Amino acid sequence: EVQLVESGGGLVQPGGSLRLSCAASGFTFSSYEMNWVRQAPGKGLEWVSYISSSGSTIYYADSVKGRFTISRDNAKNSLYLQMNSLRAEDTAVYYCARDRGIEYCSGGSCSLLGVGYFDYWGQGTLVTVSS
Amino acid sequence: DIQMTQSPSSLSASVGDRVTITCRASQGISNSLAWYQQKPGKAPKLLLYAASRLESGVPSRFSGSGSGTDYTLTISSLQPEDFATYYCQQYYSTLSYTFGQGTKLEIK
Repeated sequence: EVQLVESGGGLVQPGGSLRLSCAASGFTFSSYEMNWVRQAPGKGLEWVSYISSSGSTIYYADSVKGRFTISRDNAKNSLYLQMNSLRAEDTAVYYCARDRGIEYCSGGSCSLLGVGYFDYWGQGTLVTVSS
Repeated sequence: DIQMTQSPSSLSASVGDRVTITCRASQGISNSLAWYQQKPGKAPKLLLYAASRLESGVPSRFSGSGSGTDYTLTISSLQPEDFATYYCQQYYSTLSYTFGQGTKLEIK
């Protein structure tokens, strides 16, 4: 069974830092592209960041660029989000989400290509930025 | 960034009703559209992708259509478990995925 379990959320003062973790199990983590998506209280979903399966390609939403850093450790089946210079508007539930991927085979070998939509999500971890 | 606008923002309906939710993109997205269902306190659940392809395990009463900038999610006969908030998401722009603001489907 695929499981994604976030941790590391909590209360932090404006300007502070926090590191979120997402522990993955039940699938070959190193084959999948991963994302962070957040949801402010009572609001909609906002994509935050993307990382390729190898970690070599990374994207950020403009709202977090320069402040947040996504990373992964495939040996530990874990995804991370380092959040610095936190602001009140960063208050949200943060979800890690797996890109559904599609298998592509060529020349006898197959790999998983990212598709951009998310088939498994964690339960989320709440980050509250407040003094 | 591509902006996604859903309508209506909220909707009241009864069990058995047919309901349609619309999602409009600020530019053409070539069917690169997914729909999610979210219940209170829970993570979103993928319903459809590529505008009209049903994710495995999702009931066939859910369907999607559209092209260019305009897309719809239809639930053919509402069931009690369908009352939730629905989001569309474009993945045409790989540098910046964006979601609609959500449509809350409530029991009439």
